[in-house]
Amino acid sequence: EADIYQTPRYLVIGTGKKITLECSQTMGHDKMYWYQQDPGMELHLIHYSYGVNSTEKGDLSSESTVSRIRTEHFPLTLESARPSHTSQYLCASSEPRTVSETQYFGPGTRLLVL
Amino acid sequence: KNQVEQSPQSLIILEGKNCTLQCNYTVSPFSNLRWYKQDTGRGPVSLTIMTFSENTKSNGRYTATLDADTKQSSLHITASQLSDSASYICVVSDRGSTLGRLYFGRGTQLTVWP
Repeated sequence: EADIYQTPRYLVIGTGKKITLECSQTMGHDKMYWYQQDPGMELHLIHYSYGVNSTEKGDLSSESTVSRIRTEHFPLTLESARPSHTSQYLCASSEPRTVSETQYFGPGTRLLVL
Repeated sequence: KNQVEQSPQSLIILEGKNCTLQCNYTVSPFSNLRWYKQDTGRGPVSLTIMTFSENTKSNGRYTATLDADTKQSSLHITASQLSDSASYICVVSDRGSTLGRLYFGRGTQLTVWP
């Protein structure tokens, strides 16, 4: 089982609140990712990082921001939550480039914005 | 347009029966194809990975096939168990490099009944 953790697992919050979703991994992976997944839909990449101080936006436009100050930690922040942000957020990490570069996923955070 | 289509969308089978899930893709250039299992409320876990030259790969009761010419893959589950109930996601990578993108299918929701 992958050593990648996400907190909180579930979050219900009111519109306009600032929230931070935590993600940490103990595998020493340089690459980390954030995905958004709605029920019955595919995963969409919203942010990724190749290492410390590296962050990039993914394919799906997101109002969230990320930071990568430490290798093991990749938090995602929403400055002002809205109902449209309601979704499941999955964090992943992968080992350095290999032919079979596998992404290891955390358990996810289910966010509900009222 | 690079896409990954999975069928069926959902499937119900009885415990002990076999089943086959399908994945068609239009991703090009092709690097590799993975099947992930995602339990409810959890992150996806990798089952198999196949590169262009591989056409069959097994992982216990899971057997994946790949036809790179027709751009089709299947995941066969033998002697299903209740714990097989999950969403099975097909993921295609367009390059085996740090710039490689992952394309996710929407998954097949499998339910195994006793």
